[in-house]
Amino acid sequence: AQTVTQSQPEMSVQEAETVTLSCTYDTSESNYYLFWYKQPPSRQMILVIRQEAYKQQNATENRFSVNFQKAAKSFSLKISDSQLGDTAMYFCAFIDTSGTYKYIFGTGTRLKVLA
Amino acid sequence: EAGVAQSPRYKIIEKRQSVAFWCNPISGHATLYWYQQILGQGPKLLIQFQNNGVVDDSQLPKDRFSAERLKGVDSTLKIQPAKLEDSAVYLCASSLKEGKQYFGPGTRLTVT
Repeated sequence: AQTVTQSQPEMSVQEAETVTLSCTYDTSESNYYLFWYKQPPSRQMILVIRQEAYKQQNATENRFSVNFQKAAKSFSLKISDSQLGDTAMYFCAFIDTSGTYKYIFGTGTRLKVLA
Repeated sequence: EAGVAQSPRYKIIEKRQSVAFWCNPISGHATLYWYQQILGQGPKLLIQFQNNGVVDDSQLPKDRFSAERLKGVDSTLKIQPAKLEDSAVYLCASSLKEGKQYFGPGTRLTVT
């Protein structure tokens, strides 16, 4: 069975500092996508960043970047220059693109950016 | 581009009552998902549609939950009868085949 694990229930970071959120996953598939979603207190979930498994280059979106280690099945999110608006729940997600395209979400990490 | 619409935004019912939620996905998105998100947890997939066909409903409690997507566009999720443990936010999302998911604002259900 495919699983996604986020081992950090809560984290905090000082404004302008850098923080890394961890995610590991388990799958026997070779074709898949990984995502980080952000869910602010207003609860609308939005995509932060996406990584295709066949790409070796780590995805980057402005202050957000990932460290994708395919062999280790690790997919961490780095947030640079943290801002107060980054305070939210962050969910790691996996989709198998060779099967039913079912999304599997991790349990989330609650990130609080401190002023 | 309009986002995913959901209604109602909030609903309070008593246990054993029925409730229905509505979702209008982004135009052109063939895949539609319903998730249940209990406070403090990640979203749990209830059902996934590809057009008007069900792709995955393995985690849908079929004795009380039902969902349909007529004409491959709008979808409704129904709970009948509701239990206290059904209190949660129900999220609808849509996507192109393997693209990113676009989420609606959710419906917060409280069962008393």
